Amino acid sequence: GAGVSQSPRYKVTKRGQDVALRCDPISGHVSLYWYRQALGQGPEFLTYFNYEAQQDKSGLPNDRFSAERPEGSISTLTIQRTEQRDSAMYRCASSLELAGPGDTQYFGPGTRLTVL
Amino acid sequence: AQRVTQPEKLLSVFKGAPVELKCNYSYSGSPELFWYVQYSRQRLQLLLRHISRESIKGFTADLNKGETSFHLKKPFAQEEDSAMYYCALSGISGTSYGKLTFGQGTILTVHP
Repeated sequence: GAGVSQSPRYKVTKRGQDVALRCDPISGHVSLYWYRQALGQGPEFLTYFNYEAQQDKSGLPNDRFSAERPEGSISTLTIQRTEQRDSAMYRCASSLELAGPGDTQYFGPGTRLTVL
Repeated sequence: AQRVTQPEKLLSVFKGAPVELKCNYSYSGSPELFWYVQYSRQRLQLLLRHISRESIKGFTADLNKGETSFHLKKPFAQEEDSAMYYCALSGISGTSYGKLTFGQGTILTVHP
């Protein structure tokens, strides 16, 4: 079956522009996670959802970042007024069950964001 | 705060040699620990997790609570093991519940 998909795969934008990154989880998966990965670093947690409810957004770096999952399926991560420091790989993952320590997270291919 | 440390950014071995990728963690409590792997041009995927106590592709990892380590080992490395490996931790309660904290990753290269 289809895995987690993300679009666009690559996004180049100018500083100050808004961007929206999309994640389409595996069908039926309850939980959805967003991570950000800077070059040479491991993925860093941003936020996660159980169904449509955003359970934890403690990893969002500032109020320019927001995420939603209105129907409990597709999620959008929005970055307003992008800055060069926002350049990174943005990874989405989903899991079958409610978020928990033992669940397997299935990752998408990521969106490489470059802010000029 | 929880932290995962992978001290080696790069690790090179020859085919057939044993390999050990180091992972140390700090967490107040008993976390769940994982190894994720990313092969060239593929997405990040789970390799194994402590709770399952399984061996995947010949790899094993033992949790040492005294040393707060979760090193990944394989007795005989293969060329197809060349990849980026991430150690990750998930808290079982509180603010760290469910979300993964990753180490910086180790690039393993297995030479023929």
